[in-house]
Amino acid sequence: GENVEQHPSTLSVQEGDSAVIKCTYSDSASNYFPWYKQELGKRPQLIIDIRSNVGEKKDQRIAVTLNKTAKHFSLHITETQPEDSAVYFCAASNNDMRFGAGTRLTVKP
Amino acid sequence: EPEVTQTPSHQVTQMGQEVILRCVPISNHLYFYWYRQILGQKVEFLVSFYNNEISEKSEIFDDQFSVERPDGSNFTLKIRSTKLEDSAMYFCASSGQGEMDQPQHFGDGTRLSIL
Repeated sequence: GENVEQHPSTLSVQEGDSAVIKCTYSDSASNYFPWYKQELGKRPQLIIDIRSNVGEKKDQRIAVTLNKTAKHFSLHITETQPEDSAVYFCAASNNDMRFGAGTRLTVKP
Repeated sequence: EPEVTQTPSHQVTQMGQEVILRCVPISNHLYFYWYRQILGQKVEFLVSFYNNEISEKSEIFDDQFSVERPDGSNFTLKIRSTKLEDSAMYFCASSGQGEMDQPQHFGDGTRLSIL
């Protein structure tokens, strides 16, 4: 089955800096890669997703890149704000969605 | 914006008892999912459901678990003979029409505590 590795497990940045979270996956058949933000005690919320026929996608301060050959994908957050602080999960899916272990992002004001 | 709703928000049950967790997916969605998240850990896929049958299930989803869509709106997860290690947050999700990997929308979860 699919195995998703996520790094780093914790990330602390200053407000205004960029944050990058990286994930690798094992199943070359996976074709859908969403990123979720989860605040403490809340539901995971989809923030951006990318499909296997696309290499990069951007939505305001958030971008995701996908390298299918290397089987890795990354989340980039620019101009970070304190409200970006949360746990971020990557996932890879080919009919069943498998999550990474999460990255706890802290943005210091 | 339409939401996935889950009830109850918190369920406390004695070990060995059966529990039923309830979900109302977004009304025009066709694919339904259950996930588990043990406190402080990652979200784990349990099962997906489409056209009144299980599409995929993980190694976690053994004979202790079952899912059902008893009517046109509810989607339930039953856990039999609960164990202490079943204590977790259980999330329901649904996604739309067409291919299965449309964005999945999560409910607020049910916190299950086994005593």
